Amino acid sequence: TQLLEQSPQFLSIQEGENLTVYCNSSSVFSSLQWYRQEPGEGPVLLVTVVTGGEVKKLKRLTFQFGDARKDSSLHITAAQPGDTGLYLCAAGGATNKLIFGTGTLLAVQP
Amino acid sequence: DTGVSQDPRHKITKRGQNVTFRCDPISEHNRLYWYRQTLGQGPEFLTYFQNEAQLEKSRLLSDRFSAERPKGSFSTLEIQRTEQGDSAMYLCASSLTGTDTQYFGPGTRLTVL
Repeated sequence: TQLLEQSPQFLSIQEGENLTVYCNSSSVFSSLQWYRQEPGEGPVLLVTVVTGGEVKKLKRLTFQFGDARKDSSLHITAAQPGDTGLYLCAAGGATNKLIFGTGTLLAVQP
Repeated sequence: DTGVSQDPRHKITKRGQNVTFRCDPISEHNRLYWYRQTLGQGPEFLTYFQNEAQLEKSRLLSDRFSAERPKGSFSTLEIQRTEQGDSAMYLCASSLTGTDTQYFGPGTRLTVL
């Protein structure tokens, strides 16, 4: 069974701090997505990375796909209270279904 | 709004009752997925359709669960004889063939009393 492990599980920081969330697996994936989910809502897509070593930036968020396509990271610069939520990585492959990570619950205190 | 929609958003039912949820995907998307998410966990795959064909079902999908997509557009997920363990958020997602990116709906929160 493919597993995606995220770390840390919980993160509580002050507004303005930087943070990095990691998503690791022993399997190789064709692509990896990052989603953000708020309570009572569905996951909202942030980014899809497909190429090993790829780096994508979305305003204050920087996403990196590992060279071997087994891991990924999400870095947030100068976190804001609006960044609060559950961050999920998810990997796709030939089976078409997404395998989700365990999630990182981020709380940004004003 | 042309995103994925789900109805109802919330459903409270008594154990043993049947429930049905509906998902309307993004209009040009031919793939439709159902996932289940419990508190503190990431979503888990249940089943997926390509057009009207159901191509894969998870072992999580017991015989009390059935999903349909009769015309290749909207889909329904029915749970018969609900159990308290069925309480969860049921998420629908859609995508285009050949792409890995899936777009999720807002989910249906099911509570079985």
